[in-house]
Amino acid sequence: GESVGLHLPTLSVQEGDNSIINCAYSNSASDYFIWYKQESGKGPQFIIDIRSNMDKRQGQRVTVLLNKTVKHLSLQIAATQPGDSAVYFCAENNSGGSNYKLTFGKGTLLTVNP
Amino acid sequence: DAGVIQSPRHEVTEMGQEVTLRCKPISGHDYLFWYRQTMMRGLELLIYFNNNVPIDDSGMPEDRFSAKMPNASFSTLKIQPSEPRDSAVYFCASSRTGDTEAFFGQGTRLTVV
Repeated sequence: GESVGLHLPTLSVQEGDNSIINCAYSNSASDYFIWYKQESGKGPQFIIDIRSNMDKRQGQRVTVLLNKTVKHLSLQIAATQPGDSAVYFCAENNSGGSNYKLTFGKGTLLTVNP
Repeated sequence: DAGVIQSPRHEVTEMGQEVTLRCKPISGHDYLFWYRQTMMRGLELLIYFNNNVPIDDSGMPEDRFSAKMPNASFSTLKIQPSEPRDSAVYFCASSRTGDTEAFFGQGTRLTVV
């Protein structure tokens, strides 16, 4: 799993398997969370987001789970494909205040083996 | 929409020189963010603007760094004088509001030698 401040963890999966990427966030006041995907040489790309009034949200092949009790976020990718290989970042934001700061974790490197 | 556009994509400069990075946000987005990415520190927020006004510049490392947003479609990040430790990828991002997803540009890879 991933946590802000630690080294970049890696996850290696076989094509077709499901992937789970974890993230521990730091601010209990954070109420908006985003998962980004970053491929080599490109900027981070939005995947899916979730607000703190939800504990699960589904997209196309992706699901984000939020556990506010333990400040944990996860991204599940179904039927992982080689094109999913990238670094995945979770980001947290506290939009309740006047200062909107999207804080990123260090990222998890996902490698999909064909 | 073409997305967030940054220029140049790559910049190599000598220590002590002035560097200016440019960004065109997505039309209609009220928020603009400048981030820096390094292997050691990850993605760090440097400064962000709301409706062209700088709101939080607490992430700007030193007085050598400055950012401006003269209008809704253009922003610059300037480093003067540049130092080798400024070498990083600099990203600009924009969002429609402060609590919606931010869309990133392709970044500018800066190398200071």
